[in-house]
Amino acid sequence: EPEVTQTPSHQVTQMGQEVILRCVPISNHLYFYWYRQILGQKVEFLVSFYNNEISEKSEIFDDQFSVERPDGSNFTLKIRSTKLEDSAMYFCASSEARWDLEAFFGQGTRLTVV
Amino acid sequence: SQQGEEDPQALSIQEGENATMNCSYKTSINNLQWYRQNSGRGLVHLILIRSNEREKHSGRLRVTLDTSKKSSSLLITASRAADTASYFCATDEIYNQGGKLIFGQGTELSVKP
Repeated sequence: EPEVTQTPSHQVTQMGQEVILRCVPISNHLYFYWYRQILGQKVEFLVSFYNNEISEKSEIFDDQFSVERPDGSNFTLKIRSTKLEDSAMYFCASSEARWDLEAFFGQGTRLTVV
Repeated sequence: SQQGEEDPQALSIQEGENATMNCSYKTSINNLQWYRQNSGRGLVHLILIRSNEREKHSGRLRVTLDTSKKSSSLLITASRAADTASYFCATDEIYNQGGKLIFGQGTELSVKP
């Protein structure tokens, strides 16, 4: 069964460092998303991406964040200068279409900023 | 309360019993989805119910949607210890262009063998 894959599963980084989280969405999907979940809290939307541009972003997704689809298969989230409060589980998701179809999530990358 | 709020926050039952979780939301939606998350793991999609649907079944899962009350329920029948997980509802708002889902806080279900 096709699945969304994320790498790495866990990343530890120093505060102020740049990190890139990688995702391979399901191959025929056109919509891509990043969400995050701070420990013990709800899953929060960060950004959606379609047709090589951002469709929507949340207030969390400030200038420190960027997304890219560098080739036909990868979808990345970059955090330029990490802060302690960026520590969270980051989930990538994809969906076949925008309307009325479920989003499939990856297993997540646990980012720990020290 | 915020969009996509579940209750109860925690539910503990015995194996074989039914588990019912509720979700309330505030705005008009295209659809509502239920997800499951095992501790520290990814989100697994369970079921999607569209705004024009009232009830949907999938195996031991039954979801209802009442758009007049802006609420949904997830029923797991004949629960198993393996059903122990957190369950989240997520709404796709009707004026949302980007496809984002708004998640609730979740219900932590514990099924005791």
